[in-house]
Amino acid sequence: KQEVTQIPAALSVPEGENLVLNCSFTDSAIYNLQWFRQDPGKGLTSLLLIQSSQREQTSGRLNASLDKSSGRSTLYIAASQPGDSATYLCAAQAAGNKLTFGGGTRVLVKP
Amino acid sequence: EAGVAQSPRYKIIEKRQSVAFWCNPISGHATLYWYQQILGQGPKLLIQFQNNGVVDDSQLPKDRFSAERLKGVDSTLKIQPAKLEDSAVYLCASSLVVTEAFFGQGTRLTVV
Repeated sequence: KQEVTQIPAALSVPEGENLVLNCSFTDSAIYNLQWFRQDPGKGLTSLLLIQSSQREQTSGRLNASLDKSSGRSTLYIAASQPGDSATYLCAAQAAGNKLTFGGGTRVLVKP
Repeated sequence: EAGVAQSPRYKIIEKRQSVAFWCNPISGHATLYWYQQILGQGPKLLIQFQNNGVVDDSQLPKDRFSAERLKGVDSTLKIQPAKLEDSAVYLCASSLVVTEAFFGQGTRLTVV
C-alpha cells in the first residue's frame, strides 16, 4: 500500500527566501507525481506534474524534482512572496490511476 | 474548458440526517474520484470510478456512505445517517488515464 509523507507539516519563512518542500513515497512503482496548492476553504489547484520518466519539471518560480529510486520529490519555490502562503500537497499516481496524497505542508510567507 | 463542478458548496446538517453531494467531471474524463479531507489533513480517497464502474472503494464506510456514477458522467455521494466525524470537505476530481487530475471546489460539510 502506497504511503506518502510530507515533512515539515508547517513552514514559516520571510518574504524573498526560497522554499523547499519535501515529499516521500514508499512504493516507487508510480506513473507520475503531482503537486497541488490549496488555499483555505478552497479546492486543489494543480501546480506541476512530473512523469515517472522525468527528473524535473519547471513552471515560472516553481521547480519540482523526482527521484523514483529513493522515493522522493521536492518542490522548490524561488523568491517566495506573501501570495505563496497556502498548503502544498503532493500526490503519487500509480497503477489503476490510483492517486495517494500526503498530509500537506502549510506555508506562511511573512512580509 | 469547463472544470469539475460540485454542489452544494456548503452544507450543515444534524447528526443522523442524510446528505447528498453532486459532481460533474470534465467532459471526456473517464476517471472520477471522491476524497474526504478532514481539517488539517491530506485528502483520503473514498471511492474511484473508471467510467461507471468502481475501481477502488476500500476506504468507503459502506454502512453509511454510498456513491454512484450514472452513465459514466455525473456522480453523487450520499451519507446516511451522518455522524459528527463526517464533518469534512468532500472533494471530487477527474482525470484521463494516468494524467493530471483536476479538482472541484469541494463541499464543506458540517454535522452538528
